[in-house]
Amino acid sequence: GESVGLHLPTLSVQEGDNSIINCAYSNSASDYFIWYKQESGKGPQFIIDIRSNMDKRQGQRVTVLLNKTVKHLSLQIAATQPGDSAVYFCAEANSGGYQKVTFGTGTKLQVIP
Amino acid sequence: KAGVTQTPRYLIKTRGQQVTLSCSPISGHRSVSWYQQTPGQGLQFLFEYFSETQRNKGNFPGRFSGRQFSNSRSEMNVSTLELGDSALYLCASSLEGLAGINEQFFGPGTRLTVL
Repeated sequence: GESVGLHLPTLSVQEGDNSIINCAYSNSASDYFIWYKQESGKGPQFIIDIRSNMDKRQGQRVTVLLNKTVKHLSLQIAATQPGDSAVYFCAEANSGGYQKVTFGTGTKLQVIP
Repeated sequence: KAGVTQTPRYLIKTRGQQVTLSCSPISGHRSVSWYQQTPGQGLQFLFEYFSETQRNKGNFPGRFSGRQFSNSRSEMNVSTLELGDSALYLCASSLEGLAGINEQFFGPGTRLTVL
């Protein structure tokens, strides 16, 4: 499969534990944030998004937290499963900039069975 | 509903050549964005097209260009290829993207190797 990042920070988590992936964004004008999951050999897949007027949003087994004060974003995955193993990217955008999305460097999540 | 398709999946070229990559968005999607992904630089935005018009452009040299057709299919072209252009080129489509950001759906990418 594709190697999307040879020098990515790696988070190793035991199956069943919760995972927290962190991201710092750079543009204080960004008002829309997205988390993507990329598995080997595939394009990024949308997980969850959040707008700047919120500080928390929950999906199925995932929660995104936004702290605009320190420009920090986190993705929490509950009860991590082997299928969650992938590279996770945070992304930021400005709704006035249409689809110009800036991606973070990515974090590799390894789930230990 | 079929997903975003990209052709070809793999391509090998030599320095100085040019290349054209193709992307077919999800039916009904009018916005198509292109990204370059490399181990060193990560995912970088190239440009976005909507209704055959380029709306946004990233910080890439003029050797990188694109276009969108009336059926929303898009192509990107890289001329005078350099070794550093070796990368995975990803295309993403979204429904409209006009009133804000819409969820982007990515294709599997085209792996370009420049020798």
